[in-house]
Amino acid sequence: GENVEQHPSTLSVQEGDSAVIKCTYSDSASNYFPWYKQELGKRPQLIIDIRSNVGEKKDQRIAVTLNKTAKHFSLHITETQPEDSAVYFCAANTGTASKLTFGTGTRLQVTL
Amino acid sequence: KAGVTQTPRYLIKTRGQQVTLSCSPISGHRSVSWYQQTPGQGLQFLFEYFSETQRNKGNFPGRFSGRQFSNSRSEMNVSTLELGDSALYLCASSPGTGRETQYFGPGTRLLVL
Repeated sequence: GENVEQHPSTLSVQEGDSAVIKCTYSDSASNYFPWYKQELGKRPQLIIDIRSNVGEKKDQRIAVTLNKTAKHFSLHITETQPEDSAVYFCAANTGTASKLTFGTGTRLQVTL
Repeated sequence: KAGVTQTPRYLIKTRGQQVTLSCSPISGHRSVSWYQQTPGQGLQFLFEYFSETQRNKGNFPGRFSGRQFSNSRSEMNVSTLELGDSALYLCASSPGTGRETQYFGPGTRLLVL
């Protein structure tokens, strides 16, 4: 089955700096890669996603890149703010099914 | 549109009991997926229901089961509860045609004593 690895597990950056979280996946048939943000005690919320026919997608301060050959995708957050502090999860699904395999999460802390 | 809702939000059970959790998807969504979230194992896929049929299943024992009703609401049941079943159970809904955004509910936090 699909396996998703995520690094780093924790990341501390100063406000205004950039943060990068990387994920690799194992199943070359995976074709959908969402990123979720989960604040303490809250539900995971989608922040951006990318499909396998696209190499990069950007939404304001957030961008995701996908390298299908290397089977990895990354989340980039620029100009970080304290409210970006949360746990971020990458995920991959396979085929047309709504089954997501999640990475282990990255705890991002943005310090003043 | 109203978001995904789950009931109950919190639940305390003892070992050996069984529990039923409910999930109401976003109106018009036909797919409901269930996930278990624990500090040790992270977010793990339990199963997915689409049009009242289980379409995908994760690697959980048969004590974990689910169903979906004609209005797309879904329930999951855990029988013979074990301490290790303590977790946040999240459901997510999507239209169901694949490669779509899944929207999560607030979760049900289950504590097994």
